[in-house]
Amino acid sequence: DAGVIQSPRHEVTEMGQEVTLRCKPISGHNSLFWYRQTMMRGLELLIYFNNNVPIDDSGMPEDRFSAKMPNASFSTLKIQPSEPRDSAVYFCASSPIYLRGEIQETQYFGPGTRLLVL
Amino acid sequence: SQQGEEDPQALSIQEGENATMNCSYKTSINNLQWYRQNSGRGLVHLILIRSNEREKHSGRLRVTLDTSKKSSSLLITASRAADTASYFCATDYGNNRLAFGKGNQVVVIP
Repeated sequence: DAGVIQSPRHEVTEMGQEVTLRCKPISGHNSLFWYRQTMMRGLELLIYFNNNVPIDDSGMPEDRFSAKMPNASFSTLKIQPSEPRDSAVYFCASSPIYLRGEIQETQYFGPGTRLLVL
Repeated sequence: SQQGEEDPQALSIQEGENATMNCSYKTSINNLQWYRQNSGRGLVHLILIRSNEREKHSGRLRVTLDTSKKSSSLLITASRAADTASYFCATDYGNNRLAFGKGNQVVVIP
């Protein structure tokens, strides 16, 4: 398996622009998570989906952030409009709910998207 | 504050030495996990210990969990240069949600 795929790997944009981050989870995984990592705040959970349904978006910082999962193999995280304080590394992770009959709690992370908002 | 908080220190050791890092948390957990992050990469799962377990081993890794003290430790034995990374503990507080600590940077000097 290719693992969790994220694109783009790097994004530089100007304040006010729309940014769309993309994620392809591992095939067969039922849960998908979006995280943001900064030096100051560490790794923060933004939102997660189970079976394509958003379960908890309490970590989404503002209305400028939105996430969708239209199908089991694709998710997007959108920031509109972007601000310099959104600069961070954004990770997508996926997890199978069950594997061989056992509940799985391990998460598999993508390589991240490094976002710089000027 | 966030659950899963490592001792906020960078660790620099010689190759072959053991590296120990600690993590504390504040509320009841289902399990505690340790992840490694190499520079510029995503996190990689290392080991999971459940709340009813006290110690677990995986290769050169040993993790302990003390639920009475709400703390965990990760020991890497016979460290190698390739172990240079940041190590994060993460507490599972239900429904597959993880709360990550700030991470512990370990540098293994060849």
